[in-house]
Amino acid sequence: NAGVMQNPRHLVRRRGQEARLRCSPMKGHSHVYWYRQLPEEGLKFMVYLQKENIIDESGMPKERFSAEFPKEGPSILRIQQVVRGDSAAYFCASSLRGAPDTDTQYFGPGTRLTVL
Amino acid sequence: DAKTTQPTSMDCAEGRAANLPCNHSTISGNEYVYWYRQIHSQGPQYIIHGLKNNETNEMASLIITEDRKSSTLILPHATLRDTAVYYCIVYAGKSTFGDGTTLTVKP
Repeated sequence: NAGVMQNPRHLVRRRGQEARLRCSPMKGHSHVYWYRQLPEEGLKFMVYLQKENIIDESGMPKERFSAEFPKEGPSILRIQQVVRGDSAAYFCASSLRGAPDTDTQYFGPGTRLTVL
Repeated sequence: DAKTTQPTSMDCAEGRAANLPCNHSTISGNEYVYWYRQIHSQGPQYIIHGLKNNETNEMASLIITEDRKSSTLILPHATLRDTAVYYCIVYAGKSTFGDGTTLTVKP
């Protein structure tokens, strides 16, 4: 059973460009979480999605960031008009169940975004 | 979500038990205690979780106090590969990761 897949592993963008980060959850998992980790800091929750629904986006910046988890295909975290402060590692996790049940989250290897 | 407090860093000698404490005094009745670790800059790795009872698996043991306000992760025989940042989190759906404890296992 393959783990959580993220691609690309490394992404370089110039200021003002768009970044698209993809996450394929573990087989059978329908709950996806995105986290951001700035250099030398801990993980910060961004958004929690279930198939075709955003359940909790309380950690998402109000502008330029969006996320989706379509019925078919991977979850996408989209950052428009990137700025240098967006440079970070973005981790995706998936779980079999989600809120209100508690379930173990399994993390992907992350995408390291560098904005020049 | 309940917040957690962990020491910033700890050292442990190789082969000895590593005991990592976590305070979660505002935990509510339906929140689980989870432990993850992050080795270098890899994705976090699940270690163990529990609600009330102590738990043990092939990686570690989790001791939760009777009042559930604190817990201890025990790595029984630490190796150099256990050097990592260890996160204690409590949640019922959404995770809030703090800064964790940087455990350094020394030869």
